[in-house]
Amino acid sequence: EAGVAQSPRYKIIEKRQSVAFWCNPISGHATLYWYQQILGQGPKLLIQFQNNGVVDDSQLPKDRFSAERLKGVDSTLKIQPAKLEDSAVYLCASSSDRTGFPNSGANVLTFGAGSRLTVL
Amino acid sequence: DQQVKQNSPSLSVQEGRISILNCDYTNSMFDYFLWYKKYPAEGPTFLISISSIKDKNEDGRFTVFLNKSAKHLSLHIVPSQPGDSAVYFCAASAGAGNMLTFGGGTRLMVKP
Repeated sequence: EAGVAQSPRYKIIEKRQSVAFWCNPISGHATLYWYQQILGQGPKLLIQFQNNGVVDDSQLPKDRFSAERLKGVDSTLKIQPAKLEDSAVYLCASSSDRTGFPNSGANVLTFGAGSRLTVL
Repeated sequence: DQQVKQNSPSLSVQEGRISILNCDYTNSMFDYFLWYKKYPAEGPTFLISISSIKDKNEDGRFTVFLNKSAKHLSLHIVPSQPGDSAVYFCAASAGAGNMLTFGGGTRLMVKP
């Protein structure tokens, strides 16, 4: 099966500018996630969608970040205006919600390659 | 407040030897634990998982051990190979199908 597609792979902007990232999950995966990974740290969840509804956006800085998932498939994450501390890799992931054997019942996320943002 | 911690930022091991990566958690509601591997310029890829009803899960060269009383899990790689050199993240969730909380990662270097 095709993996999670993300674009652009790299983006360099100046602070106060805006940027948008796009994600196409694995076909049939109902749940989509956006994670932020700052250099040297683990991924941190920004927002989780179930189909086109938001499940969890408690860690999304809503004054500058927004995300949408139209028609329950593709998703976009926007930052406006960007700050220096937004420099990070933005990872999109999806899951099928079909937990159970053989993954011990765990919710296995499949990640895209990420979009690296540099804010100058 | 970091709920999942990987206290060793890096680990160097000789090829053929055992690699042991450790992870601690604080949230007693976590009942599913996963390990992901990440190569540079790629997204994390799933490696192995364990639920809290078990204390060990094995998949080829990879074994994950869970000590619930100590809130500690470890990943053993035997034998280690140069291709195993990557950053390893442990992750946990409270309930099947729920969001994953990640640790900060451990960079493993396997020397030929």
